[in-house]
Amino acid sequence: GAVVSQHPSRVICKSGTSVKIECRSLDFQATTMFWYRQFPKQSLMLMATSNEGSKATYEQGVEKDKFLINHASLTLSTLTVTSAHPEDSSFYICSAHPGVGIFGPGTRLTVL
Amino acid sequence: QKEVEQNSGPLSVPEGAIASLNCTYSDRGSQSFFWYRQYSGKSPELIMFIYSNGDKEDGRFTAQLNKASQYVSLLIRDSQPSDSATYLCAGGGGNKLTFGTGTQLKVEL
Repeated sequence: GAVVSQHPSRVICKSGTSVKIECRSLDFQATTMFWYRQFPKQSLMLMATSNEGSKATYEQGVEKDKFLINHASLTLSTLTVTSAHPEDSSFYICSAHPGVGIFGPGTRLTVL
Repeated sequence: QKEVEQNSGPLSVPEGAIASLNCTYSDRGSQSFFWYRQYSGKSPELIMFIYSNGDKEDGRFTAQLNKASQYVSLLIRDSQPSDSATYLCAGGGGNKLTFGTGTQLKVEL
């Protein structure tokens, strides 16, 4: 079946640094990928929709200059958290279309 | 605002019993509904989806959809301790999904 991978699975960084998270579709081409964020004991919140070869669409309240998304190929989308702060600490999860229901394993970001 | 609502639980059931998880949604435009299981610290995994009124069965799981009442449910038969997790309901149309906050299920020995 369709598999989505993410890297890294866990990252700890200092406040003010930037962190890049990769999302890959391993055995299918994903024209669209979705980035979610989940805080402890809360549900998944869609941050942005990433479309191959075009600009990402951000949800209301998500700063596009802080969360940079690049979808340069049909199998790879990246999310870069720029100038990360402790409040950005969260569980970041991607999902790839056509597998609307298929999520990557997630990346746990901790900003000190 | 499009909403998907679930009781946070915890819902406790004895091993071998039927667990019933419920979800309501506000957007009548939602076409498809998904149930996910999420273990603590892990990513959600898809259990099943449903888009037609009625029941859909897959092994020990049955999803039920009632569009008139805007209600989706998931039944888990013969509940096992390994079913203990948070169950997320999601609804949407096209590519975008709106998630509920999840119901914590505890299956007790």
